[in-house]
Amino acid sequence: EAGVAQSPRYKIIEKRQSVAFWCNPISGHATLYWYQQILGQGPKLLIQFQNNGVVDDSQLPKDRFSAERLKGVDSTLKIQPAKLEDSAVYLCASSQFGELFFGEGSRLTVL
Amino acid sequence: GENVEQHPSTLSVQEGDSAVIKCTYSDSASNYFPWYKQELGKRPQLIIDIRSNVGEKKDQRIAVTLNKTAKHFSLHITETQPEDSAVYFCAAARLNTGNQFYFGTGTSLTVIP
Repeated sequence: EAGVAQSPRYKIIEKRQSVAFWCNPISGHATLYWYQQILGQGPKLLIQFQNNGVVDDSQLPKDRFSAERLKGVDSTLKIQPAKLEDSAVYLCASSQFGELFFGEGSRLTVL
Repeated sequence: GENVEQHPSTLSVQEGDSAVIKCTYSDSASNYFPWYKQELGKRPQLIIDIRSNVGEKKDQRIAVTLNKTAKHFSLHITETQPEDSAVYFCAAARLNTGNQFYFGTGTSLTVIP
């Protein structure tokens, strides 16, 4: 079975610029998560979708981060404007019956 | 929300020795406790998990134990090999009520040949 797909794998931007990350979950997985993983730390949940509805976005910095999951399949995470502290790997994961399956991640460097 | 603490942050063992990583959680409603292995530059991958109705689970050289009363769970790796070197994350989740997963801060395990 195909895994969770993410793109781009790497992105370098200047602070105050914008960036968008895309995620395609495993087919049939209703739950989709975006995590932020700063170097040396564990993944931190940013937002969780169940189909196309938001379940939890309590840790999403809504003044600069936004995410959507139109049609309940693919999802996009956007950062605008980016700050230096947003440098991290953004991991997308999907789940159907409990087990999380992660994508390879999108590594963002903000200069 | 849930708070997951993980210790130690780094662990070095000789090849063939055992390694133990411990996690505690705060939410008594958490009922699912997976462990993920993350090699450098790669995605986290599930290596073993345990549900709250079970006290211990084994899979070859890997075992996980859960103490619900004390709210802690541990990963045990026996007969360690150099390929076990990686960062290990524990997590706690409430399956069927929200399904949010909360991760520990990670343990960097180095197995010395």
